[in-house]
Amino acid sequence: EAGVAQSPRYKIIEKRQSVAFWCNPISGHATLYWYQQILGQGPKLLIQFQNNGVVDDSQLPKDRFSAERLKGVDSTLKIQPAKLEDSAVYLCASSFLGVRKQYFGPGTRLTVT
Amino acid sequence: AQTVTQSQPEMSVQEAETVTLSCTYDTSENNYYLFWYKQPPSRQMILVIRQEAYKQQNATENRFSVNFQKAAKSFSLKISDSQLGDTAMYFCAFIDSGYALNFGKGTSLLVTP
Repeated sequence: EAGVAQSPRYKIIEKRQSVAFWCNPISGHATLYWYQQILGQGPKLLIQFQNNGVVDDSQLPKDRFSAERLKGVDSTLKIQPAKLEDSAVYLCASSFLGVRKQYFGPGTRLTVT
Repeated sequence: AQTVTQSQPEMSVQEAETVTLSCTYDTSENNYYLFWYKQPPSRQMILVIRQEAYKQQNATENRFSVNFQKAAKSFSLKISDSQLGDTAMYFCAFIDSGYALNFGKGTSLLVTP
């Protein structure tokens, strides 16, 4: 069974630039999550989708972060413009609808200089 | 606010020995789910074990077991017969309302020969 795919694995950008991350969940998983993991901390939820609708984006900095999940499958997370404090690992996870077991992708390590 | 506390930032254990990682949490909900995730240097978050709060019996997965004390809001992880491949960050997490995971800051476990 294919796992959660994410790309790119690494990205280095300068502050004020924009960046986008891509996530492809496990086939059949209706729920998709984006987490931000700052060095030395546990992951923190940014946004949760159920199919192509947003369930929870209360911790998403909406002035600079945006996310979409067109057609209820793949998802992209964008940061524009990036700040130094956005340096982190961005993890995508997915799960079956109504199931509390999440499968994580390998993450994207973002460095903002 | 829901919180997860892992009081041991780093731990070390010799191969074949047993180690226990501590976790306490705070929630006002009566029904919730508890998890231990392992994150090796590859950054892939891997589910180690999970426990439903309504179940009194402690969960066990091969060499991994938990000590769930609901009244004390404590959820410790015991790793028996530690192996070199157990070296990783270990995160305690829970889900109460909704489906998003609330993580602690993690415990770095080093297994030495």
